[in-house]
Amino acid sequence: KAGVTQTPRYLIKTRGQQVTLSCSPISGHRSVSWYQQTPGQGLQFLFEYFSETQRNKGNFPGRFSGRQFSNSRSEMNVSTLELGDSALYLCASSLDQANTEAFFGQGTRLTVV
Amino acid sequence: AQTVTQSQPEMSVQEAETVTLSCTYDTSESDYYLFWYKQPPSRQMILVIRQEAYKQQNATENRFSVNFQKAAKSFSLKISDSQLGDAAMYFCAYRSPNTDKLIFGTGTRLQVFP
Repeated sequence: KAGVTQTPRYLIKTRGQQVTLSCSPISGHRSVSWYQQTPGQGLQFLFEYFSETQRNKGNFPGRFSGRQFSNSRSEMNVSTLELGDSALYLCASSLDQANTEAFFGQGTRLTVV
Repeated sequence: AQTVTQSQPEMSVQEAETVTLSCTYDTSESDYYLFWYKQPPSRQMILVIRQEAYKQQNATENRFSVNFQKAAKSFSLKISDSQLGDAAMYFCAYRSPNTDKLIFGTGTRLQVFP
């Protein structure tokens, strides 16, 4: 069974650009969550999606958005990139909201220059 | 709002010895889940162990066990017979019911010396 797949693994963007990151959950998993990891702020929750509906959103500006498709794949978008958006973005999937175990992907390392 | 605190930024242990990583949390909820995740240099988060708050029995997974003190809001991880492969960042995390949102602590870097 394939694990959580995040693409791309590495990305370099310029300030002001926008970026889209993708997450394919484990087959059969309907819940996807996103996290931002930086040395200064640690691991911070971005969004949670379940059956194409955003159930929770973290304390991030509106430049951060996401969506989930009918096949449970999820994308997150960051517009007007800032240097501070440089981070490791992690995606996690779980079977459903009653399931207690989340499986993480290997992350996308975004560098904004 | 719930918070998770890991007061040990770094810990070290000799191979084959035992080490305990500390975690405290704050919540007004009575039902919740607690986790320890390991993040090796590959950066992929790996679930080490989980504990449901309604269970009084401490969770155990092979060499990993927890000391869950609900009244004290403490959730420490004990690693027995430490191995070189245990070297990693360890994160304590909290989860409320009916959500997949995890609240993480700041992490503890564990070094294992031969």
